[in-house]
Parts: sequence; C-alpha cells; structure tokens
Amino acid sequence: SQKIEQNSEALNIQEGKTATLTCNYTNYSPAYLQWYRQDPGRGPVFLLLIRENEKEKRKERLKVTFDTTLKQSLFHITASQPADSATYLCAYTGSARQLTFGSGTQLTVLP
Amino acid sequence: DAGVIQSPRHEVTEMGQEVTLRCKPISGHDYLFWYRQTMMRGLELLIYFNNNVPIDDSGMPEDRFSAKMPNASFSTLKIQPSEPRDSAVYFCASSSTGPKNTEAFFGQGTRLTVV
Repeated sequence: SQKIEQNSEALNIQEGKTATLTCNYTNYSPAYLQWYRQDPGRGPVFLLLIRENEKEKRKERLKVTFDTTLKQSLFHITASQPADSATYLCAYTGSARQLTFGSGTQLTVLP
Repeated sequence: DAGVIQSPRHEVTEMGQEVTLRCKPISGHDYLFWYRQTMMRGLELLIYFNNNVPIDDSGMPEDRFSAKMPNASFSTLKIQPSEPRDSAVYFCASSSTGPKNTEAFFGQGTRLTVV
C-alpha cells in the first residue's frame, strides 16, 4: 500500500533562512500532493497542491517541488519568519478525495 | 462561511460512557471526512462520506465507533462504550467535487479525554 513519510525530527532554522521540508512516498506516484500547516490546538490548513505532471508550484514565499523519479516532494519557505513556526504536513489524495497524511515536521524559526 | 464547525471543543468522559462528536461541514461541500490525531499515529482517516453516503469506513478502529450523516449539513461520530485509548483529537473536514478543489477544510477539532 502507498505510504507517505516525512522527517519526524524537528527542524530549527534561523530567521531569514530558507526552510526545506521533505516528503517521500512509496509505490506509485499520487495524482496530487498537498501541503498543510498545523498550529497547536488547531486543525490543518491547506497551503499548496502540486499535481503529478507539475515540477514546481509557488505561492508567495512558499515553493513546492514534485520529483516522480525520486518519489519525493520538497516544501520550501524562503525568508523564513518566526510566524512560520508550525507543523507542516504533506498528504496525497486517494482515488476518491480522501487524504492520507504523513506524520508531519515541526518547524521552529528562531529570531 | 464560518468554515467547518465541530462541537464540543473539549470532552472529558469516563470509560464506558457514550460520546458523540458533531460536525457541520462547509455549505455546498459534498465530501465529509472524520480524522483522528494522536502523537503516536498522527492523522488517521476514520471514515468519509460523499453526498451523505458512507464510502469507506475501513479506518474505523472497532465496532464501538459509528458515524452518520443524516443530511448535507450535519454528521456525528459516536463512540460507545468509550475507552481510555480513544483519547485523541478528532477532526472533521470537508471538500467539494471539482478538478481544482481537492483541498480539505478542517474544523478546530474535538479533544477527547477518556478517564
């Protein structure tokens, strides 16, 4: 069965640097990969979606890449700010809209 | 729209009691999902509905769990009897059919503690 894996270790970076988070999947390439942000005590919030036939997607300071050869998606936050500190989740969309999530990576941006 | 609304936000109950979690999806959305989140297992899909019909309940852990969606604007997740291992945050999410609208909108969650 399809599995999706994120680096479970927390990531600490200095303000202003670029944060790069990794999401790996096994088996087949999902049609879509999505990235969500989750703050403590709140539900996940959608950030970006990338399709299998897209190499890269951007939204303001966010960038997502999709490499079907490596079976990997990278999520970048440029010019990071302390307000970017949160847990970031990747998820793939199943055959009928259901999302399967990775375990998430906790990002802390240090001032 | 107020987004996905869940109630209650927090629930503390004793083992063996029945617990009912409620969800109001975003108006017009035809998919509704119930997830459970724990530190150990992350976000797990329990069940989802399309047009009020349960499509896949393979994630429901046991027969003690049941979910209903009597109409497009309301769903419940019931645990009877509850056990301490059911303690988790339960999220409801909704989404709409459409080639560009695959993202899910989550509620604030219900934090369930079974003592």
